[in-house]
Amino acid sequence: DAGITQSPRHKVTETGTPVTLRCHQTENHRYMYWYRQDPGHGLRLIHYSYGVKDTDKGEVSDGYSVSRSKTEDFLLTLESATSSQTSVYFCAAGTGGGTGELFFGEGSRLTVL
Amino acid sequence: GQNIDQPTEMTATEGAIVQINCTYQTSGFNGLFWYQQHAGEAPTFLSYNVLDGLEEKGRFSSFLSRSKGYSYLLLKELQMKDSASYLCALDNYGQNFVFGPGTRLSVLP
Repeated sequence: DAGITQSPRHKVTETGTPVTLRCHQTENHRYMYWYRQDPGHGLRLIHYSYGVKDTDKGEVSDGYSVSRSKTEDFLLTLESATSSQTSVYFCAAGTGGGTGELFFGEGSRLTVL
Repeated sequence: GQNIDQPTEMTATEGAIVQINCTYQTSGFNGLFWYQQHAGEAPTFLSYNVLDGLEEKGRFSSFLSRSKGYSYLLLKELQMKDSASYLCALDNYGQNFVFGPGTRLSVLP
């Protein structure tokens, strides 16, 4: 969806360094999500947000933190990156339940050496 | 917790019909989504089932049976561009969406 952009799209970093991925949406969706996608595991939820400054943990939240200071921005931070966090990260946004579908960003490929 | 299973890979021939199954165990959910994901791209929405039964959208149909913990995506008149991964996902009342591992479909000429 053209309304959701992620940055950076590609990043290579070293073990132990901090990393922040940014997700920006222009559609004013209330809910935003961070997923990681790994072979054999599909999409796994890291954290999600249901409003400004309102966030909650997902299935694989250890080692990750998030912040949402504005409706349009949702940041994912790896305080000290590890090789197990090498993955493709997808941001998504949506209006919530019912028939509200998820709109995904293009993904950010992170490699931790 | 929730558990979702899908076949890992499927192969079908151009012009044929293919059914991709999704089974799940959960204590409750609002609805079930199907997404398509081409290699290297983001997932895109295909269908959403809230009630039991069949939802049809052109060449794609999706079926849900809550009592059996089962859904399927039916693709008709397969085209080469349908080669992709297909993900089913449970909608947990809008708070989060839990995805299955995905089924990689290869369409052969």
